Amino acid sequence: NAGVTQTPKFRILKIGQSMTLQCAQDMNHNYMYWYRQDPGMGLKLIYYSVGAGITDKGEVPNGYNVSRSTTEDFPLRLELAAPSQTSVYFCASSYSWDTEAFFGQGTRLTVV
Amino acid sequence: KQEVTQIPAALSVPEGENLVLNCSFTDSAIYNLQWFRQDPGKGLTSLLLIQSSQREQTSGRLNASLDKSSGRSTLYIAASQPGDSATYLCAVGTGSQGNLIFGKGTKLSVKP
Repeated sequence: NAGVTQTPKFRILKIGQSMTLQCAQDMNHNYMYWYRQDPGMGLKLIYYSVGAGITDKGEVPNGYNVSRSTTEDFPLRLELAAPSQTSVYFCASSYSWDTEAFFGQGTRLTVV
Repeated sequence: KQEVTQIPAALSVPEGENLVLNCSFTDSAIYNLQWFRQDPGKGLTSLLLIQSSQREQTSGRLNASLDKSSGRSTLYIAASQPGDSATYLCAVGTGSQGNLIFGKGTKLSVKP
């Protein structure tokens, strides 16, 4: 059972480039989330989804976009990368809103 | 706005010692509280989930308590081992979307 899988694990982007962070879960979870973790800070919610076709903004959505066309996949799109988006990005999923959350291994992104 | 604070930020103990990690939150209107473990360069691993109606949860050498009215939770680790060395994160669930508000974590080091 793979759980939550994120790709890539590491990436270096130049300012202004775009990329998509991939997230897939094989637990048939309805709820999926994207968080970012900056050094010395708690995780901050970027976007979340409560089911296929439904997404909504979290605390820090600016500069990002998401889509949820299937239950399994929840990609995060960065348009026009900026140095402020240098961070570690975590995808998470849960069966319901009040159940245990499972996290992926993270994507470490550096924008130069 | 909900804020989660974890004290201390770092803790070093000798192997075999029992220890307590603290988590406090400013708004008692939470749905649940989760404790996670994060190893360097890795994702988050869920340790314990306490629903708002519960007072504590136990898993092996770990015991987590929740006092909603005072806005506090503790994670008790019995007979600590070097393998327990990691950063421990506390997160509260405050909405029906399932999103979590995280503390900054306590970095635990258990010396052999």
